[in-house]
Amino acid sequence: GQNIDQPTEMTATEGAIVQINCTYQTSGFNGLFWYQQHAGEAPTFLSYNVLDGLEEKGRFSSFLSRSKGYSYLLLKELQMKDSASYLCAVMDSNYQLIWGAGTKLIIKP
Amino acid sequence: GAVVSQHPSRVICKSGTSVKIECRSLDFQATTMFWYRQFPKQSLMLMATSNEGSKATYEQGVEKDKFLINHASLTLSTLTVTSAHPEDSSFYICSARAGTDQETQYFGPGTRLLVL
Repeated sequence: GQNIDQPTEMTATEGAIVQINCTYQTSGFNGLFWYQQHAGEAPTFLSYNVLDGLEEKGRFSSFLSRSKGYSYLLLKELQMKDSASYLCAVMDSNYQLIWGAGTKLIIKP
Repeated sequence: GAVVSQHPSRVICKSGTSVKIECRSLDFQATTMFWYRQFPKQSLMLMATSNEGSKATYEQGVEKDKFLINHASLTLSTLTVTSAHPEDSSFYICSARAGTDQETQYFGPGTRLLVL
């Protein structure tokens, strides 16, 4: 079966760095996405990785290792507004997104 | 970037009534649209995939007769929750994919449905 695993909840301090991990097992692979979702809102796109390595975009970076079925989202210089759920999703061979359950990130002052 | 809208953003209805949710791609042609449902503190669950001009493909466990999906044009898909019950209360999100870009889905803002 297809499976995406990520931690349920993480807590970090404002100004610090946090890494959210995601492991996956899917039928085929056409890329891995990270989305941010604030409570009561639709997900917003953060990053897309299809090749191994690190993609940096401002305070957010995303890493992919296809051989290990592993990705992480790195958030630097955390701000209170970064408190949200972070969803890992993998696009399978049918170009459909398989979603993780999301990691709720709590930022403390 | 591409914009997807949903209407209404929030709806409260009585049990037994039907509710229609519209999903529109505003500046691109969406050959494929997806409907998701999200219960509190849970991940997005794909309900169905619809391609313009053809019948929707429903995921296992999703009742076709209860969740009617129509994708009549390249910019509009509708989801109708028929004879809604309190257990149908959820956050419904649509996303759209342009024919030229298989990797990218653009999400609508979501519709919160509360059935009393």
